[in-house]
Amino acid sequence: AQTVTQSQPEMSVQEAETVTLSCTYDTSESDYYLFWYKQPPSRQMILVIRQEAYKQQNATENRFSVNFQKAAKSFSLKISDSQLGDAAMYFCAYRYVGSQGNLIFGKGTKLSVKP
Amino acid sequence: DTGVSQNPRHKITKRGQNVTFRCDPISEHNRLYWYRQTLGQGPEFLTYFQNEAQLEKSRLLSDRFSAERPKGSFSTLEIQRTEQGDSAMYLCASSDNRGLVSNQPQHFGDGTRLSIL
Repeated sequence: AQTVTQSQPEMSVQEAETVTLSCTYDTSESDYYLFWYKQPPSRQMILVIRQEAYKQQNATENRFSVNFQKAAKSFSLKISDSQLGDAAMYFCAYRYVGSQGNLIFGKGTKLSVKP
Repeated sequence: DTGVSQNPRHKITKRGQNVTFRCDPISEHNRLYWYRQTLGQGPEFLTYFQNEAQLEKSRLLSDRFSAERPKGSFSTLEIQRTEQGDSAMYLCASSDNRGLVSNQPQHFGDGTRLSIL
């Protein structure tokens, strides 16, 4: 069975600094997608960034980038120039290409941003 | 694009009662998902619809749970004889019908928070 592990329950970063959130996953499949979702307090979950496993190049979306290490089954999220609005729960998620599309989530990392 | 809409936002009920939640996906999204999120956990998949067909159900979806999407648009999730362990946030998500189902990002609603007294 596929699993997603986020080993950091909470993280803190100073405004304008850089923070990295960790995620590891376990799967026997070779073709899959990985996602980072952001869930602000009492607000809906939104997609931050997506990575296709067959792509070697790490995905980047503005201040957000990932470090995808397929052999190590690691998928970390780097947030540069952190802003107060980045404070939220961050969930790493996995989806197998052959699935019906359901996501498998980690337990999340709560990110605090200090002014 | 008005986003995924879920109602009610919060439901408080006594143990043993039945509850029903509604999800209106983004228009023209034919794929719809239900997840459950308990405190301190990530969302867990419950069930998936493509149009009106329920194509996958998690083992988490006990026989007290039933989901429908009768016309392939909105969906309802009903829990019968609620138990304390049903207290959670119930999230709905929808995705585009283009390409591979696994390739499309899911758009989530605000969720319905269920509290069992």
